[in-house]
Amino acid sequence: GENVEQHPSTLSVQEGDSAVIKCTYSDSASNYFPWYKQELGKGPQLIIDIRSNVGEKKDQRIAVTLNKTAKHFSLHITETQPEDSAVYFCAARGRGKLIFGQGTELSVKP
Amino acid sequence: DGGITQSPKYLFRKEGQNVTLSCEQNLNHDAMYWYRQDPGQGLRLIYYSQIVNDFQKGDIAEGYSVSREKKESFPLTVTSAQKNPTAFYLCASSPSVPTDTQYFGPGTRLTVL
Repeated sequence: GENVEQHPSTLSVQEGDSAVIKCTYSDSASNYFPWYKQELGKGPQLIIDIRSNVGEKKDQRIAVTLNKTAKHFSLHITETQPEDSAVYFCAARGRGKLIFGQGTELSVKP
Repeated sequence: DGGITQSPKYLFRKEGQNVTLSCEQNLNHDAMYWYRQDPGQGLRLIYYSQIVNDFQKGDIAEGYSVSREKKESFPLTVTSAQKNPTAFYLCASSPSVPTDTQYFGPGTRLTVL
């Protein structure tokens, strides 16, 4: 069935460094790829998304890239700050529903 | 304030009891969703509804039931048939299914004692 693999499961960086989280998807019909940030005990918040007709999208310190041929997409966070510490989820919309990755716990050390 | 509200934030129940989780949205969204989140796992879809009085099973619907009598409300009942109900439950909504962008509520943590 449809599947989204997300790596790494945990990521620790120093404040000011960059962080990269990668996802691969199995359904070649997927055309929408959101990223969510979830803080402890809260619901996920949409931070950026990309559609299949675009290769890259940026919003201040965050960017997402999409490689449809290889069926993978990545989240890039530059100049990380302690408040970026959270769990990040990728997702892919395939045939009618969103499939989520397992999540990446990002820790930014001051 | 526009948004999605879920209540209660924490819920405790005894084994064998049914319990209903509330989800309300004032975003005028057509579609609503229920997800279950367990530690170390992604979100798994329980049920979703595209319009009032219509809903479809997701990947893990067994032991759950829903209703969609009003556009703004999509309550989830966790029945005694759900074998392992302790989890974090998230409600979401989107303007319409084709639009895809889903917005989440704050969640309800259910613990079975």
